[in-house]
Amino acid sequence: AQKVTQAQTEISVVEKEDVTLDCVYETRDTTYYLFWYKQPPSGELVFLIRRNSFDEQNEISGRYSWNFQKSTSSFNFTITASQVVDSAVYFCALSEASYQGGSEKLVFGKGTKLTVNP
Amino acid sequence: NAGVTQTPKFQVLKTGQSMTLQCAQDMNHEYMSWYRQDPGMGLRLIHYSVGAGITDQGEVPNGYNVSRSTTEDFPLRLLSAAPSQTSVYFCASSRDLGELFFGEGSRLTVL
Repeated sequence: AQKVTQAQTEISVVEKEDVTLDCVYETRDTTYYLFWYKQPPSGELVFLIRRNSFDEQNEISGRYSWNFQKSTSSFNFTITASQVVDSAVYFCALSEASYQGGSEKLVFGKGTKLTVNP
Repeated sequence: NAGVTQTPKFQVLKTGQSMTLQCAQDMNHEYMSWYRQDPGMGLRLIHYSVGAGITDQGEVPNGYNVSRSTTEDFPLRLLSAAPSQTSVYFCASSRDLGELFFGEGSRLTVL
């Protein structure tokens, strides 16, 4: 069975600090997809990144970066120079590879609530 | 651009009542799904569909029915509401190899 663990329930930082959100996953599939979603206080779910299991390159998008390591089954998310607007709940998710390669079935972690204080 | 539209946004039911949460998307996405979000539990998949006429169960399907008669619509039916179904419900859609687009959520309270 697939499982996603986000061990950090809540994190609190001061603005401009760097912060890393941990994500550890379990799957028996050799092909799978990993995701991060952001849920700000307004409640909507915002897509951040999708990564397939064959692409272990780290990715950077502005202040956001992701570190994918198959050897440790981890897909960690780092925010550099955090801002108050980064305050949200962040979810890591895992999807098996369907025959159509879609993301129709996601298994989510329980989320990490990040609070960035001014 | 409407994206994924869910109605209603808020609903209060009494135990035993039935209701339908509506979900519509205008992006011609093949895949649609329903998740529920409970405090401290993340999101859990209820039902999903890979195309019109095709549905399947997710992790927590009991007490819910779905159908997919058109590409655009994917309603979620609660047959006999129970307090355990108090939750926030999210509908989502996606194309193959694409991101999952979520609706704004529907907050359901069952008394």
